[in-house]
Amino acid sequence: DTGVSQDPRHKITKRGQNVTFRCDPISEHNRLYWYRQTLGQGPEFLTYFQNEAQLEKSRLLSDRFSAERPKGSFSTLEIQRTEQGDSAMYLCASSFPTSYEQYFGPGTRLTVT
Amino acid sequence: DQQVKQNSPSLSVQEGRISILNCDYTNSMFDYFLWYKKYPAEGPTFLISISSIKDKNEDGRFTVFLNKSAKHLSLHIVPSQPGDSAVYFCAASPWGYTNAGKSTFGDGTTLTVKP
Repeated sequence: DTGVSQDPRHKITKRGQNVTFRCDPISEHNRLYWYRQTLGQGPEFLTYFQNEAQLEKSRLLSDRFSAERPKGSFSTLEIQRTEQGDSAMYLCASSFPTSYEQYFGPGTRLTVT
Repeated sequence: DQQVKQNSPSLSVQEGRISILNCDYTNSMFDYFLWYKKYPAEGPTFLISISSIKDKNEDGRFTVFLNKSAKHLSLHIVPSQPGDSAVYFCAASPWGYTNAGKSTFGDGTTLTVKP
């Protein structure tokens, strides 16, 4: 296993467009997390899944954001009607359900122009 | 309200010396603490952790100290090496398997180790 992968690594989009990111976790990991990181700040928790169930969403996750993990493997994060404030690094992480340590992917950098 | 604070945005030390990175937290519900290291263009990588029932955890050159009464933890790197140059994030989680992994992160400290 090569670790957590994310696609694309970079995305430039115009304001108002929809974007979708993909995360492939480490295959043995049941839990999958999405974080957002802006420049000079640490990652901020957005949502997490255990298998295919989305167990929690942060209040940071507005109605324009939706995440899925339909078969309990890969996950997608969609942002509808993007705004300039959505520009950030979107990080995915995975872990075993009883573990505090997370394994992060390299992130998807979103730029909204 | 930032619940995990790393008050030093940057730290520069000489190779071979000790690096001390500090972290303060405000939420009394936090019971498990982690340090992650991040290189440019990569995601954070887990480094070392400590639970609230301990006050020290050591792994090779890395030691984390926890002062629960002061709500303060620190990461010591001895001896520091140029390859340790990275951004270090402190993270905290409440206890319990439901909360495992839902970490609150500080804003990071950029460590530069000079040869």
